[in-house]
Amino acid sequence: EVQLVESGGGLVQPGSPLKLSCAASGFTFSSNWLNWIRQAPGKGLEWVASINPDGSSTYYPDTVKGRFVVSKDNAKNTGYLQMNNLRSEDTAMYYCARTGGGPPDYWGQGVMVTVSS
Amino acid sequence: DIQMTQSPSVLSASVGDRVTLNCKASQNINKYLNWYQQKLGEAPKLLIYNTNNLQTGIPSRFSGSGSGTDYTLTISSLQPEDVATYFCFQHNSWPLTFGSGTKLEIK
Repeated sequence: EVQLVESGGGLVQPGSPLKLSCAASGFTFSSNWLNWIRQAPGKGLEWVASINPDGSSTYYPDTVKGRFVVSKDNAKNTGYLQMNNLRSEDTAMYYCARTGGGPPDYWGQGVMVTVSS
Repeated sequence: DIQMTQSPSVLSASVGDRVTLNCKASQNINKYLNWYQQKLGEAPKLLIYNTNNLQTGIPSRFSGSGSGTDYTLTISSLQPEDVATYFCFQHNSWPLTFGSGTKLEIK
């Protein structure tokens, strides 16, 4: 069974860093893209980052480019999202989701990040 | 960036109705259009990928169609468990973008 479990969320102050983790199981992690998607409270979905299977290519929207870094450790079956210089508008539920050749298909249950002083 | 516009934003229908949700891209996305269902408090679930391919385990009352910039999700016979918000999503080009969602309610 494909499973993705996020961790590392919490309450942080503006300007602080935070690193999220995504533990994967039930599939060949090294053969899949990994994505991060977020959802602000009561709002829609926003794609945040993607990384290719071997970790050599990463993609971001302009809203987080230069502040967020996505990575994956294929030996540990774990993906990461390093978030720096966090802003109040980064407050959201963060989901990791794998891509098996098309769009993100399996998603984790999400982890909440709150940026507030 | 490709903008995805969904309509209507809220749809109220009766059990058994045929329901159609719309998604329009700001440019051709070559059928790289996908539909997600999100129930309250849950993570999104992939329903349809690449316009008209039903994800494994999804009931056959869900179907998708479209091309170019215009796409549709159809539920052939609405069920109570279909109450959710539906998002379209394009993966034709970076940055990947979602529509703002259609909230589907039961009358």
